[in-house]
Amino acid sequence: SNVVTQPPSVSVAPGQTARITCGGNMVAGSRVHWYRQKSGQAPVLVVHDDSDRPSGIPERISGSNSGNTATLTVSGVETGDEADYFCQVWDSSRGPVFGGGTKLTVL
Amino acid sequence: EVQLVESGGGLVKPGGSLRLSCAASGFAFNYFGMNWVRQAPGKGLEWISSVTTRSNYIYYADSVKGRFTISRDDAKKSVDLHMSSLRVEDTATYYCSILNCTGGDCDSFGWFASWGQGTLVTVSS
Repeated sequence: SNVVTQPPSVSVAPGQTARITCGGNMVAGSRVHWYRQKSGQAPVLVVHDDSDRPSGIPERISGSNSGNTATLTVSGVETGDEADYFCQVWDSSRGPVFGGGTKLTVL
Repeated sequence: EVQLVESGGGLVKPGGSLRLSCAASGFAFNYFGMNWVRQAPGKGLEWISSVTTRSNYIYYADSVKGRFTISRDDAKKSVDLHMSSLRVEDTATYYCSILNCTGGDCDSFGWFASWGQGTLVTVSS
C-alpha cells in the first residue's frame, strides 16, 4: 500500500547528530517536506522541497532525498530540538500525505 | 507577520454540525491556497481539505468527503470549514494552514508554510 514510513522514535545525546528517515514508494520522485511539532504547539515547517530551509531555521537542520528515502538531519542536537517530526509528500489521488511522525528524544 | 487564528471548535454530539473559521492576516491572502489539517489526540497529522485561489478547485480527503465543506472569503481574508454528520473519530485539533510551493505547482508539490494554533473539536455523546 502507499504509505509514508517514519521510525516512531529516535534518541540522541546532546551535541550528536540525529537522522530521521521518511520512506516508501510515494517518496521516490517526490519532493519531501518536514515539520517540527513541539509538545502542545502547532507544527512548524523546517525543510521544504527535500532540502530548502525557510528563513529562521538554522543550518544545522538539513534535508536530503535519495531513491525511496528522505532524511532529515539535525546536527549538534540541543534539548530544544525535542519534538515530533513529520514528513509530507503528495499522492496523485489522495493529495498531501504525512508520515506517521518521529519523536526525537534528547538523552 | 503571518497570522492564522482558528475559532469555532467545541463539544458536539455525534451526528451534529460545527463551523470552523480561520482569520488570516499579514500576507496576500488571495494569492495562496488554504488548507485544513487535523490531528487526533496523540496521533499524527491528517490533511482533510484545501481550497485554491479564487476557489477554482476544492479537494477533500476521503475521510470527510460528503460531510465537510470548505469555503473562502478573500474580502474578509478568511477560510471556513463546515462540518456535518460528525463522528467520534472526527475528534481532533483542526489547524488552518497556507499552502506554498515553488514553480506554481502547489497541488502536486506544495508545503504547509504557516499554521494557526488550532481549534479543538470534540465529538462525544
